Amino acid sequence: DTAVSQTPKYLVTQMGNDKSIKCEQNLGHDTMYWYKQDSKKFLKIMFSYNNKELIINETVPNRFSPKSPDKAHLNLHINSLELGDSAVYFCASSYHGGDSNQPQHFGDGTRLSIL
Amino acid sequence: GQQVMQIPQYQHVQEGEDFTTYCNSSTTLSNIQWYKQRPGGHPVFLIQLVKSGEVKKQKRLTFQFGEAKKNSSLHITATQTTDVGTYFCAGRKGTSYGKLTFGQGTILTVHP
Repeated sequence: DTAVSQTPKYLVTQMGNDKSIKCEQNLGHDTMYWYKQDSKKFLKIMFSYNNKELIINETVPNRFSPKSPDKAHLNLHINSLELGDSAVYFCASSYHGGDSNQPQHFGDGTRLSIL
Repeated sequence: GQQVMQIPQYQHVQEGEDFTTYCNSSTTLSNIQWYKQRPGGHPVFLIQLVKSGEVKKQKRLTFQFGEAKKNSSLHITATQTTDVGTYFCAGRKGTSYGKLTFGQGTILTVHP
């Protein structure tokens, strides 16, 4: 009964490959996020969806494409992986993204390593 | 764009010592949240501050929000080894729909 679950937990792949990370939340939240955490622990927002609609799209290479089939799922597809994409990717969700008073719940992260 | 600066980046303390991390925003915030990330884990929400000058306590943790709503601090009294981890502040501007800007985090190490 994990609240925010991401798969896979670890992803090791070669440069140039295409890969996807999946995220699902069972909290009934209407907003989901993707964050990238680098080796220095810096946590940066990449994308956010509210009820399947893209609401936050930070300066991210267009090799990264999020997809939200429904409000409980937010997937991240990455094309032509590069060495600099190595990081931990966190999915998160919250209720009523426009309401400032809601905490975000994070998944366990996907550790992506590019060889 | 909005920036949230957090210091120090690292803090090593002996068990029983106090610890404080500070957060400063370049712009006025509508609210600020604090998260803790254990080594190898994911960020976990601790608390949210909304009002100017607000102070909240959770056992040994004291959170403050500045009068101008541009800075915040987290103080831990008498640290324990279970306090080890990275502490993040995350600020939100009133018009940014759900977007939190995270500080760089303070990595706390507690020596027994």
